[in-house]
Amino acid sequence: NAGVTQTPKFQVLKTGQSMTLQCAQDMNHNSMYWYRQDPGMGLRLIYYSASEGTTDKGEVPNGYNVSRLNKREFSLRLESAAPSQTSVYFCASKRGRSYLSPEQYFGPGTRLTVT
Amino acid sequence: QKEVEQDPGPLSVPEGAIVSLNCTYSNSAFQYFMWYRQYSRKGPELLMYTYSSGNKEDGRFTAQVDKSSKYISLFIRDSQPSDSATYLCAMSANTGNQFYFGTGTSLTVIP
Repeated sequence: NAGVTQTPKFQVLKTGQSMTLQCAQDMNHNSMYWYRQDPGMGLRLIYYSASEGTTDKGEVPNGYNVSRLNKREFSLRLESAAPSQTSVYFCASKRGRSYLSPEQYFGPGTRLTVT
Repeated sequence: QKEVEQDPGPLSVPEGAIVSLNCTYSNSAFQYFMWYRQYSRKGPELLMYTYSSGNKEDGRFTAQVDKSSKYISLFIRDSQPSDSATYLCAMSANTGNQFYFGTGTSLTVIP
């Protein structure tokens, strides 16, 4: 039982390049999330998927797209990377609505630098 | 105004001290209140959560929620060097799927 896994762990991009961050969970959770974490800003929600087949914008969605490929996998794509997207990206999953269980399980993070 | 405010610290205490960590919030719809611990270069992990008001205790950790003041606290008794980490508060509404995090408080427990 690996929990939430993320690939890659580290990435350096040049401005304008694109890339996809991958996330998978093996806990049969319905909801999945993408956050970015910046110094002094805390965790900010980029996109989330309440259930397979649905995605919604969070607090900071500009410059990102997501795909809920199936129940296990939720990917985050940067179409044209900018230095402002330098951050640590975390994927998380949750069983379902908060009244079922509010606990989110986080992956180990992807450290992205855009030069 | 941010949904959740948290003093970033840093906080430095001697081993064995009682630590108090706090967050305030503005959205009265929040019903779930969570505390996460994040070690350096790792993902956050849930310490404990509380639904609505009241206290919850788990070992050396106690979470308190005062909805009338929109104020939540985490107390750590007999703090240990292994408690050195960043502590994040998080909140969500009853039926919501979105979580709102504080910026985190960095804690160092000195042996």
